[in-house]
Amino acid sequence: GAVVSQHPSWVICKSGTSVKIECRSLDFQATTMFWYRQFPKQSLMLMATSNEGSKATYEQGVEKDKFLINHASLTLSTLTVTSAHPEDSSFYICSARGGGWYIQYFGAGTRLSVL
Amino acid sequence: GENVEQHPSTLSVQEGDSAVIKCTYSDSASNYFPWYKQELGKRPQLIIDIRSNVGEKKDQRIAVTLNKTAKHFSLHITETQPEDSAVYFCAASIANTGNQFYFGTGTSLTVIP
Repeated sequence: GAVVSQHPSWVICKSGTSVKIECRSLDFQATTMFWYRQFPKQSLMLMATSNEGSKATYEQGVEKDKFLINHASLTLSTLTVTSAHPEDSSFYICSARGGGWYIQYFGAGTRLSVL
Repeated sequence: GENVEQHPSTLSVQEGDSAVIKCTYSDSASNYFPWYKQELGKRPQLIIDIRSNVGEKKDQRIAVTLNKTAKHFSLHITETQPEDSAVYFCAASIANTGNQFYFGTGTSLTVIP
């Protein structure tokens, strides 16, 4: 299957700082990338959909100014958690699909801890 | 939007027995239904998927059935092995219009040796 790389795998930051998470498709062009949030022992909640070169589409209830998404190339999308607070602590995971694909390939996730 | 429900939330079976996980969806426009397996601390991995023009699909010990009329689909694992222990997620999607996946709440499967 296709490979999606996510970095960093774990980040600890102070409250009020911003954190950037990268999601890269290593061996295919990702026309669409998705960002999910997963709480312990819970499901993957879709946060937003990003298409290369256009603005991300956010799911209802997700603050677009809080979670900035950029998809500047066909192999890279970034999620920036701005002014992070302890309640933003979670597991963030990205996925990507190529043009015309049904399947999404997932990154390994980023565990964010905000102190 | 789409709402996917998944049952049971936990499932324990003896090695060699079968396991069945069931999901229902709300949006009749959904036409693609993948199943992912997530081991502790690892990324979700696709194990099988089905499109709405098919009622059943099988891959070795794993099968998925789809009832479009009732809007439910199920994962069947036969001859379970300890390495099948993981959390399984179903999802529903409208392919070719964004293809967003809406996941069920997950089933933690434990296969007892």
